[in-house]
Amino acid sequence: DAMVIQNPRYQVTQFGKPVTLSCSQTLNHNVMYWYQQKSSQAPKLLFHYYDKDFNNEADTPDNFQSRRPNTSFCFLDIRSPGLGDAAMYLCATSRLRDLGSGNQPQHFGDGTRLSIL
Amino acid sequence: AQKITQTQPGMFVQEKEAVTLDCTYDTSDQSYGLFWYKQPSSGEMIFLIYQGSYDEQNATEGRYSLNFQKARKSANLVISASQLGDSAMYFCAMREGRAGGSYIPTFGRGTSLIVHP
Repeated sequence: DAMVIQNPRYQVTQFGKPVTLSCSQTLNHNVMYWYQQKSSQAPKLLFHYYDKDFNNEADTPDNFQSRRPNTSFCFLDIRSPGLGDAAMYLCATSRLRDLGSGNQPQHFGDGTRLSIL
Repeated sequence: AQKITQTQPGMFVQEKEAVTLDCTYDTSDQSYGLFWYKQPSSGEMIFLIYQGSYDEQNATEGRYSLNFQKARKSANLVISASQLGDSAMYFCAMREGRAGGSYIPTFGRGTSLIVHP
């Protein structure tokens, strides 16, 4: 089945130690998103790619970087994780349609739950 | 100002009964889409139902229906015949047009639904 796969499911890292989360998709979707979700909160968009075009949200900390080497893969790099970065990280994809029909839902992976020691 | 408002942080419903989860939205766009997602405790976000701003009929998907009242800017989710497996967080989201043509959904804070046996 076509899907969005996030690895790992759970990640534990040390304070200040760089960590990379990965996302792959078999849907061939144009757009890939990274969200941060803290307990009992809505997902917060960090950035998204429209094909190779990178779009950073204005309030995303510099500590968070992303790479999309090809259509299928997208990575989230946290350069120096702090305790406040402990969260669920969700990757999502969507297929862009023309303006006037935005009925394509986002397809989410299962998420990576990041813990900071 | 919040674009998506979900006023019910928590809801309880008896198994087999119907429940309505509220969602109001704020946009000046004429073309937009409204989505509902379910997030079980395991973390994955599952797409449930979509309503387009130009759709005249309320969307339905199995036990899920969307009560769309455009003039009131509300898009409430109705779950009929609740099941224990419906216990989860439910997020309402809206997609508007954005400069450059990339549709970026905005999520509400979510409603926690607990279904009692």
